[in-house]
Amino acid sequence: DTEVTQTPKHLVMGMTNKKSLKCEQHMGHRAMYWYKQKAKKPPELMFVYSYEKLSINESVPSRFSPECPNSSLLNLHLHALQPEDSALYLCASSAQAEETQYFGPGTRLLVL
Amino acid sequence: QKEVEQNSGPLSVPEGAIASLNCTYSDRVSQSFFWYRQYSGKSPELIMSIYSNGDKEDGRFTAQLNKASQYVSLLIRDSQPSDSATYLCAVNSNSGYALNFGKGTSLLVTP
Repeated sequence: DTEVTQTPKHLVMGMTNKKSLKCEQHMGHRAMYWYKQKAKKPPELMFVYSYEKLSINESVPSRFSPECPNSSLLNLHLHALQPEDSALYLCASSAQAEETQYFGPGTRLLVL
Repeated sequence: QKEVEQNSGPLSVPEGAIASLNCTYSDRVSQSFFWYRQYSGKSPELIMSIYSNGDKEDGRFTAQLNKASQYVSLLIRDSQPSDSATYLCAVNSNSGYALNFGKGTSLLVTP
């Protein structure tokens, strides 16, 4: 089983809202990732957690705040987003940081 | 800047033909290479991973890696209309954490 789940599937939020994206995997993977993907572009890495510790932050604005409460769960907290932040947000996990990454279905975010 | 290059296409092949997708990368120390398929509006789905020089076959898919020439390719035999998608080539960075993606090749299989 290589399933990564993400909720919600779709999210519409205003620029003053606070919302959270959730990602979950039960494969015992120790690395989890957040990517952002705009239309007709490849995924762009945002954050990497390895063994529940933040390993990489790709210079992401502070209006995006990741959290890894345990080894199975990854959250992305959103606050004061801009319309240009509208995108598909993808979560991925891998057994270890250098191994094959499996993507969840994504959350389609629209910021109004 | 570590780059992964793909022809954006679209690559159009008739049903039943072989589709050949190519990818080159700039970081000589890269060790892990992946092909993902992405349907419009969906998330990337792993097709193949390859780590050693040579060919790796899985059903209708064959990945080929040549580290000396820094290219990796994906062959799809007996192409089906359901194979129509964007194919993303991804290469592990030297740090091991990040995947460097190419921009993707759009494949269209015509009935």
